[in-house]
Amino acid sequence: QSALTQPPSVSGSPGQSVTISCTGTSSDVGNYNRVSWYQQPPGTAPKLIIYEVSARPSGVPARFSGSKSGNTASLTISGLQAEDETDYFCSSYTTSSTLVFGGGTKLTVL
Amino acid sequence: QVQLVESGGGVVQPGGSLRLSCAASGFTFNLYAMHWVRQAPGKGLEWVAVTLFDGSNNYYEDSVKGRFTISRDNSKSTLYLQMDSLRAEDTAVYYCATDMMQGVIKGALDYWGQGTLVTVSS
Repeated sequence: QSALTQPPSVSGSPGQSVTISCTGTSSDVGNYNRVSWYQQPPGTAPKLIIYEVSARPSGVPARFSGSKSGNTASLTISGLQAEDETDYFCSSYTTSSTLVFGGGTKLTVL
Repeated sequence: QVQLVESGGGVVQPGGSLRLSCAASGFTFNLYAMHWVRQAPGKGLEWVAVTLFDGSNNYYEDSVKGRFTISRDNSKSTLYLQMDSLRAEDTAVYYCATDMMQGVIKGALDYWGQGTLVTVSS
């Protein structure tokens, strides 16, 4: 089970939009719409912010959106705010009935 | 409100064993698949294992297969992770987490515990 591929870091200025990619294979991201995204501030447990590629749990701002094309999923954060600066992880269900996470992306708000 | 409280972490020598527990409350435990996810110091998240709502099926990440066993006691609303033949690379914070969908593995983990630290060192 190889980890999904995410860029180690992305950055953007307040008010701008950033997109974080998450590339898998036809055995995970490309095979299911069970891609999730998590936000993890330092020293805290992860928080689910996107599930089923593009759905948002209650309480997650609409600034967070998700999409998928082929084996690559994406998280877009619009209207960047200082509080968005933290780590983001993607995950996908796999054909082995397991989960696999991405390596994580550190978002810096300039 | 949903609460997940892990316990059982600590320092163990290579080759040793530990059993982690995750006490759940605030939801109908026996309806949801439950996961263990770990995070080595300064590293990313790594999925470890999942057990279905009734414990009938369990799945594992390759590196822990044959060494770790996930189980649950629905009468006690408690999830377990028995870890044997521990290695230095198993050192991590271990989180338990609920799957979002009743009855199946959706892979969206909507509630997480605070984590318990396992250190494998001589």
